[in-house]
This record gives sequence, C-alpha cells and structure tokens, in this order.
Amino acid sequence: DQQVKQNSPSLSVQEGRISILNCDYTNSMFDYFLWYKKYPAEGPTFLISISSIKDKNEDGRFTVFLNKSAKHLSLHIVPSQPGDSAVYFCAVLNTGNQFYFGTGTSLTVIP
Amino acid sequence: DTGVSQNPRHKITKRGQNVTFRCDPISEHNRLYWYRQTLGQGPEFLTYFQNEAQLEKSRLLSDRFSAERPKGSFSTLEIQRTEQGDSAMYLCASSLAVKIPNYGYTFGSGTRLTVV
Repeated sequence: DQQVKQNSPSLSVQEGRISILNCDYTNSMFDYFLWYKKYPAEGPTFLISISSIKDKNEDGRFTVFLNKSAKHLSLHIVPSQPGDSAVYFCAVLNTGNQFYFGTGTSLTVIP
Repeated sequence: DTGVSQNPRHKITKRGQNVTFRCDPISEHNRLYWYRQTLGQGPEFLTYFQNEAQLEKSRLLSDRFSAERPKGSFSTLEIQRTEQGDSAMYLCASSLAVKIPNYGYTFGSGTRLTVV
C-alpha cells in the first residue's frame, strides 16, 4: 500500500524553464510534507518542507504547493539549472517521526 | 563533524552469510533511523532509536534483521542468513528530537549491499 505516489519517474526540462514535480498522498491525516533531492551515490538531502496549515512555501528558486483537498503536493523549480538534475523524492511525516517516501522523479535539466 | 557516516560503502556477500553495517550519526543527534532503498523505490523505514532505546520497528524488519545502538551513539544493523532480496541501499539518518523545518533529518551516503 503506497502511501505516497510520484507517478512520473522522469522529467526533462530545458535550462531556465520551470520544473514541476508532482506527488499524491493517500492519508488526509498527514500534516507535514517534505521534498528531498538525491544525487547518485549520496544520501537524500532535505530541500524544502510545508506543514498542512499552509498551502505554499517558498525558498529561493524552490516553491512547494500543497492542495489538501486533492491530497496533492508539487515542487516548482524556477529557473531550472543543470545542477538541479537529480532524483527528487516527496515524503510525508508519519507518526513516530518516520517518513513515507515516494518512488522518486528523476529530473534532467538540459543545458 | 562531517555528518552521518556509514561503513562500509559497498558490501558484496554470498547468500546465507551474515553482514553488519555501521552508522555514526551527527554527534549531538539523539535519534537514529535506518531506511532501506531498493531500485526504483523511495527509502522505506526500518527502525529508529532515541538514544539507546529502539522505539519503533517496521514490519519490513524480519527476524533476520537486528539493530543496536548500545551507547546511544553509533548503531549497527546486522542481517543474518542474507537472501538475494536483501540487496538494497541501507540508509542511516539522524536527528534531534525536536521539530525544526526538516525534523533535522540528515542522511548518510548509505551502504549498498549486493547478495550473490
């Protein structure tokens, strides 16, 4: 039972354009959501988070949007840069301070 | 402090052998987590410790798996009688038991296990 779904395994975007990564979750009780970025041979690194009391959180080029009624989370990166090429995981906080992760979306930013 | 350290980085073992991985968390972090990531999947929670106490275990953690954190610092994850299905990246993370923007989760680079 996949609690968090990322339906796009890969995404290619031209440098300078917007990258939009999507994530759907199943449980309306989840109240904290995060995006992680992962390069090959490294562990995931935290990118940005949002709590359920908000619908948008922005940090530089990265913005996370939360649509609670649709149980949908998205990450916007603008402008996209080649260094953003990585696998992006969305994650939701479960009880006990553990996370459910999605399956990841591999982003390629083409120079 | 160089972050969360995991050793070894890679381990190849024959089916049926036992393996042990080590995780050294960030020194002031009192929580330590183990996750497993298989190809094409996101990390899956295995277990976590607060100090030396193991507070939660996933159903993924079968009887062949055991984790310890004897002095509340480093942790070991042992897999007995390894099976090919155990082949995965084993990730360790640590945090403080307080709510900060990312719950303070810092992941290590992982140990990649290959069972042949």
